[in-house]
Amino acid sequence: DTEVTQTPKHLVMGMTNKKSLKCEQHMGHRAMYWYKQKAKKPPELMFVYSYEKLSINESVPSRFSPECPNSSLLNLHLHALQPEDSALYLCASSQVVELYNEQFFGPGTRLTVL
Amino acid sequence: KNQVEQSPQSLIILEGKNCTLQCNYTVSPFSNLRWYKQDTGRGPVSLTIMTFSENTKSNGRYTATLDADTKQSSLHITASQLSDSASYICVVSAGNRHNSGGSNYKLTFGKGTLLTVNP
Repeated sequence: DTEVTQTPKHLVMGMTNKKSLKCEQHMGHRAMYWYKQKAKKPPELMFVYSYEKLSINESVPSRFSPECPNSSLLNLHLHALQPEDSALYLCASSQVVELYNEQFFGPGTRLTVL
Repeated sequence: KNQVEQSPQSLIILEGKNCTLQCNYTVSPFSNLRWYKQDTGRGPVSLTIMTFSENTKSNGRYTATLDADTKQSSLHITASQLSDSASYICVVSAGNRHNSGGSNYKLTFGKGTLLTVNP
């Protein structure tokens, strides 16, 4: 299994809602990442988890809260989002965080904040 | 500042034709360079990955080249198909080439070339 899966594929939420994005991989990878991608822009790194511990937070607002319950799962909890947070949210994983290893990207969750 | 520049910004070709996409980078120290294909609204899919010692790498109809001296890479697509229509993104990793256990985590993404293949 060389796949990163993400659910849901699409999500529409209001600014007062609480929702979560989920990411899963069964490749035994110990590094997992969250990216945000606006239309026609490259992905922007948000968080990096290494061995289930948050190692990097790229100054992301606290309305985004990541969680890594185990080595296969990565969640992104959303609360009190703004319309400008609408974007494609990509999850990725790599064998370890060192860059020689290829990051595998999931298909993304298309988030719309009303 | 690490940067990756891609050209052209967009490209339209006819099915069956070949094309070449360009990538120039100023990432230092260079670790590796990857080309990804990203369909609209989908996650990027890796096509090739090359380290500084590799000059060319093929993946089916995709052939990537790398000149680490001039810091340029190209992606050549042969006999294009309608399904090749996508954004092609050049991504460069920084790190210590002598230490495969480097701790730099951040990729530098180009803005991509949007390829449209018409029948």
